[in-house]
Amino acid sequence: DTAVSQTPKYLVTQMGNDKSIKCEQNLGHDTMYWYKQDSKKFLKIMFSYNNKELIINETVPNRFSPKSPDKAHLNLHINSLELGDSAVYFCASSLTGTAYEQYFGPGTRLTVT
Amino acid sequence: GEDVEQSLFLSVREGDSSVINCTYTDSSSTYLYWYKQEPGAGLQLLTYIFSNMDMKQDQRLTVLLNKKDKHLSLRIADTQTGDSAIYFCAEIGPNFGNEKLTFGTGTRLTIIP
Repeated sequence: DTAVSQTPKYLVTQMGNDKSIKCEQNLGHDTMYWYKQDSKKFLKIMFSYNNKELIINETVPNRFSPKSPDKAHLNLHINSLELGDSAVYFCASSLTGTAYEQYFGPGTRLTVT
Repeated sequence: GEDVEQSLFLSVREGDSSVINCTYTDSSSTYLYWYKQEPGAGLQLLTYIFSNMDMKQDQRLTVLLNKKDKHLSLRIADTQTGDSAIYFCAEIGPNFGNEKLTFGTGTRLTIIP
């Protein structure tokens, strides 16, 4: 299927652990994004990468480190997880200059206990 | 910075029209969007409008843009139970290569049978 996919869909972990979320798109896009949706459903961008280069880095703690091994993948690694990191994380992708058509993945629900 | 506001809740009888409103502050917004999020799902792009347009119609959806008042609305005609979801408006600025979507708070649409 042509889509943006994320793994895992659900992630439950304890405070202090390190975890990664993976994102892949097969749409031929060259820009990828990570968004965070908190418990009140508020959505905010965290990062964007264009052709493996970091373009947008909002005020996100440096415990969060995105990595883009190639244009089709953007992974999110989180160190020393905190309770406040619990949220749904969405990956998205688009073509350069066409950010008006951002396609979103299904989300990863992260619960930190 | 950019700010996008929406009412949090809207209840509509099945078969009636739903009107979801959004206000934004960034006068340089180039595109404005409506996304739909069904329970437990990702974001689905419904429609978007370029900032030099006043109206866009797509089947049951009508988008109205009042650029002077920075007001965007989404009208859903003949609302159905499948329209129950959270609707997010979003805007994007003109900085090509550094685009990020700024989302509103989301409006939860509930359909009354």
